[in-house]
Amino acid sequence: DTEVTQTPKHLVMGMTNKKSLKCEQHMGHRAMYWYKQKAKKPPELMFVYSYEKLSINESVPSRFSPECPNSSLLNLHLHALQPEDSALYLCASSLGTGQWGGNIQYFGAGTRLSVL
Amino acid sequence: LAKTTQPISMDSYEGQEVNITCSHNNIATNDYITWYQQFPSQGPRFIIQGYKTKVTNEVASLFIPADRKSSTLSLPRVSLSDTAVYYCLVVGLGGYQKVTFGTGTKLQVIP
Repeated sequence: DTEVTQTPKHLVMGMTNKKSLKCEQHMGHRAMYWYKQKAKKPPELMFVYSYEKLSINESVPSRFSPECPNSSLLNLHLHALQPEDSALYLCASSLGTGQWGGNIQYFGAGTRLSVL
Repeated sequence: LAKTTQPISMDSYEGQEVNITCSHNNIATNDYITWYQQFPSQGPRFIIQGYKTKVTNEVASLFIPADRKSSTLSLPRVSLSDTAVYYCLVVGLGGYQKVTFGTGTKLQVIP
């Protein structure tokens, strides 16, 4: 099973709302990632968690708050977003070790976010 | 991080073999060349990974010359369903990876 599950698939929120995106994997992967992808652009890395600790924050605004409650779950909390934050948000995971194939990232289908 | 350069777009007829090249002049000793496929409104999907020479799996082949400064993804006998964006990435083999996606190659398969 190489599945990464993201919920919800679609989300519409106002600029004053608070919402959360969820990501789940049961492959035993210890590295998890959040990416943002605008239309017709490549994915851009936002955050990386390794063994449930935040390892990379690509200078993402504080209105995006990641959380890794356990090794299988990754959340992205959203608050006071702007219309320009509308995008496809992708979650990925990788084995998180230095062995062969451990650097292959498996992506979820994404959450399509619209900020009104 | 090694930067990759690919053609922005390619067209191919159904049934033809498609070769997409990628340049990665600054590849490091510990880096692996990895290709992903992405359909609209879906997450990227891993296709193939290699370090040197040739790697083949059930969907593609990857050719890497000895200097490793470039690579070629080969898709045999493409169909309409292969229309997608293909990304070439150079990825280290550490615990986690700071991955930078380039612009990718938009492959359009024509009937």
